[in-house]
Amino acid sequence: GEDVEQSLFLSVREGDSSVINCTYTDSSSTYLYWYKQEPGAGLQLLTYIFSNMDMKQDQRLTVLLNKKDKHLSLRIADTQTGDSAIYFCADSYNQGGKLIFGQGTELSVKP
Amino acid sequence: ETGVTQSPTHLIKTRGQQVTLRCSSQSGHNTVSWYQQALGQGPQFIFQYYREEENGRGNFPPRFSGLQFPNYSSELNVNALELDDSALYLCASSLGQGASEQYFGPGTRLTVT
Repeated sequence: GEDVEQSLFLSVREGDSSVINCTYTDSSSTYLYWYKQEPGAGLQLLTYIFSNMDMKQDQRLTVLLNKKDKHLSLRIADTQTGDSAIYFCADSYNQGGKLIFGQGTELSVKP
Repeated sequence: ETGVTQSPTHLIKTRGQQVTLRCSSQSGHNTVSWYQQALGQGPQFIFQYYREEENGRGNFPPRFSGLQFPNYSSELNVNALELDDSALYLCASSLGQGASEQYFGPGTRLTVT
């Protein structure tokens, strides 16, 4: 069945780069998404990548997709304390509008 | 442009009761999806409504039901509440059928005692 896996925690220093990784199982994915969730809030769509792309850059965010290995990563350059949050990777399942989310990676940014 | 709104923010119910949660989609969007997020977990897809019809459903029992109205707002109804239904319920709006870019509301925190 469909599954998305993420590591649970990542801690970095302010100003460093953060890399959050995700693996997925669905070979028919068309889009893959990254969402950010701050405490007590809903999910904020950060960026997404189409499955025929290898890379997408959007300001401080870089998404890399290795479709052969079904591996997705999100790199945040010059990480700030305001980037501390939980980051979710989501795979799209075209039938019925379902997004399949990973468990989330909690990013902690230390000053 | 108005974002996705949900009401109420918080709700406490007793086991066996029924609850209705509401969602207003972002302006210009005609599709609403509902997700359940248990503490410490990623959101789980409940169902999606497109132009007032259920477009897809996740692994949730029939006591989870929904509606979408002509203005594209939506309701999630849960009957016979169980303790495990305690969660953050998230609504997301998008344009068109399928899993296109989905924009989430702030959620409703439901506690069942």
